[in-house]
Amino acid sequence: SQTIHQWPATLVQPVGSPLSLECTVEGTSNPNLYWYRQAAGRGLQLLFYSVGIGQISSEVPQNLSASRPQDRQFILSSKKLLLSDSGFYLCAWEGTSSYEQYFGPGTRLTVT
Amino acid sequence: AQSVTQLGSHVSVSEGALVLLRCNYSSSVPPYLFWYVQYPNQGLQLLLKYTSAATLVKGINGFEAEFKKSETSFHLTKPSAHMSDAAEYFCAVRQTSYDKVIFGPGTSLSVIP
Repeated sequence: SQTIHQWPATLVQPVGSPLSLECTVEGTSNPNLYWYRQAAGRGLQLLFYSVGIGQISSEVPQNLSASRPQDRQFILSSKKLLLSDSGFYLCAWEGTSSYEQYFGPGTRLTVT
Repeated sequence: AQSVTQLGSHVSVSEGALVLLRCNYSSSVPPYLFWYVQYPNQGLQLLLKYTSAATLVKGINGFEAEFKKSETSFHLTKPSAHMSDAAEYFCAVRQTSYDKVIFGPGTSLSVIP
């Protein structure tokens, strides 16, 4: 069966520090991968999606970036965090022949 | 363009009462529709999905939803609420497999003992 992992689970970082969040998927090949953010009490905001290694599409221009160095690995990064980057970050995958997405457990990021 | 609306950002029901969470969508063609549940500090979990088969879809935890094309609705119901149903519920729509999933703003369900 398929499993999706995210780490770390929680992170507290000062403003201006770098960020790296990692997402990995097991049990499937060539998944589409997604990064979402949830601000406190808000809905889901799509940040990035990827249909293959090295293929990244950005939905919202901001100081975040994403990379997909391996088929089942998706990384979210920032060179300098802002207070507004605080939130709950969710990674999701979908199969190429399915329509629904499956979410990881999330990373709670607090920028201080 | 696709969009999803969820009437009521907060819904409260008594334990044992009917749960009804509303979802309306806009789409130029019959879309794929989903309901997800999110418990505090967790990721979203798929409850059920409609992909143009039966209009009444049964999901996990006793939930079901009915696709009504004429009303462009996909409301989520459960006959009897349980305390463990307290969570955030998201409706989502996807027009084709090539389109992105559009999520609604979510409805927070509280269950009163």
